[in-house]
Amino acid sequence: QQQVKQSPQSLIVQKGGISIINCAYENTAFDYFPWYQQFPGKGPALLIAIRPDVSEKKEGRFTISFNKSAKQFSLHIMDSQPGDSATYFCAARSSSNTGKLIFGQGTTLQVKP
Amino acid sequence: DGGITQSPKYLFRKEGQNVTLSCEQNLNHDAMYWYRQDPGQGLRLIYYSQIVNDFQKGDIAEGYSVSREKKESFPLTVTSAQKNPTAFYLCASNAIAGAKNIQYFGAGTRLSVL
Repeated sequence: QQQVKQSPQSLIVQKGGISIINCAYENTAFDYFPWYQQFPGKGPALLIAIRPDVSEKKEGRFTISFNKSAKQFSLHIMDSQPGDSATYFCAARSSSNTGKLIFGQGTTLQVKP
Repeated sequence: DGGITQSPKYLFRKEGQNVTLSCEQNLNHDAMYWYRQDPGQGLRLIYYSQIVNDFQKGDIAEGYSVSREKKESFPLTVTSAQKNPTAFYLCASNAIAGAKNIQYFGAGTRLSVL
């Protein structure tokens, strides 16, 4: 119930291609879904986030698609660049009172030049 | 600069030794968290605190201890009872009030066993 399942575990994309990372959850009480980007040896940084009453959110080359009925959401990186090579985590907020997040397992993205 | 400071960046533990990882934030955030990161396992919650002098166990609290004596500080002690402490440890914080509750992370401490 409290899990967030993320796939794939790793992803290799050519420069200019589209990177797609998927997440699924069970708990319908989750109310906020952020994505974090982490470079090696660094802490994760918030990339983009969405609420369940919105089906899509776009910020530059990054888009979240949200399917409430299927309890799935995904991150799309358009025109992927080598600088996008990082580990990406999806997350779900379990309570707006605390901000506590449940994280997916992470996806390591490599964008080849 | 506002943010979360973790120290040290690298730490080595000897057999049977307790070590303490520091986490300080100047964001005036109420809640603070400790995560452990292992390859392929994402971020696993060790402990969290929503208010001074109070904290709760996360999913993998065994072998760890914390304190929250000041709002800005949330140190994590890795005790000798933690038999596999080698990992990357991340501290995070967020404001409880408000709709976003965005968690901000420190740069992490990498702990290795000698």
